[in-house]
Amino acid sequence: AQKVTQAQTEISVVEKEDVTLDCVYETRDTTYYLFWYKQPPSGELVFLIRRNSFDEQNEISGRYSWNFQKSTSSFNFTITASQVVDSAVYFCALSDFDNNAGNMLTFGGGTRLMVKP
Amino acid sequence: EAGVVQSPRYKIIEKKQPVAFWCNPISGHNTLYWYLQNLGQGPELLIRYENEEAVDDSQLPKDRFSAERLKGVDSTLKIQPAELGDSAVYLCASSTPGDYQFGDTQYFGPGTRLTVL
Repeated sequence: AQKVTQAQTEISVVEKEDVTLDCVYETRDTTYYLFWYKQPPSGELVFLIRRNSFDEQNEISGRYSWNFQKSTSSFNFTITASQVVDSAVYFCALSDFDNNAGNMLTFGGGTRLMVKP
Repeated sequence: EAGVVQSPRYKIIEKKQPVAFWCNPISGHNTLYWYLQNLGQGPELLIRYENEEAVDDSQLPKDRFSAERLKGVDSTLKIQPAELGDSAVYLCASSTPGDYQFGDTQYFGPGTRLTVL
């Protein structure tokens, strides 16, 4: 069975601080995919990034960066110089691979990030 | 490109009443998902469709929940009769078949927030 744990339920920072959201996962699959989604107060889940299990390269996109470490089963998300607009709930998710088909996402419980001005 | 459309956005009903939610996926997306999101938790899969076929409905409470995806495009999720515990956000997502490198990425609609009184 797959499992995703986001131990931080809520984080509060002051604008311009850096913040890291932790994600730890469990799976028996050798091929799997990891995702981060953002859920602002409007409620829609917004896709941020995906990463496959055989590519451990870290990725940076503007103020966002992701650190994937297979050895510790972690896929952490860092926001540099946080802004008030970053305030949202962030979800880490995991899926396996099924050729030519969709797959169930297993979500963590989410981390609520509050960025104060 | 239009995103996943859901309606209604909000619904308030009394217990034992029926309710239905509608979802229109992104054009060309063969796979459609319904997720349930309880307050303060991550989404959980209810049912997954590949075109018009329900390929994973193991988490759908079949005594009161039903779903259909006629013609493999729009989908409707129904609850009859609704119970107090059904109060939650119902999210619809869609995706295209993934490849080995990237898997499939699910794009979510804004959700329907159901309140059962």
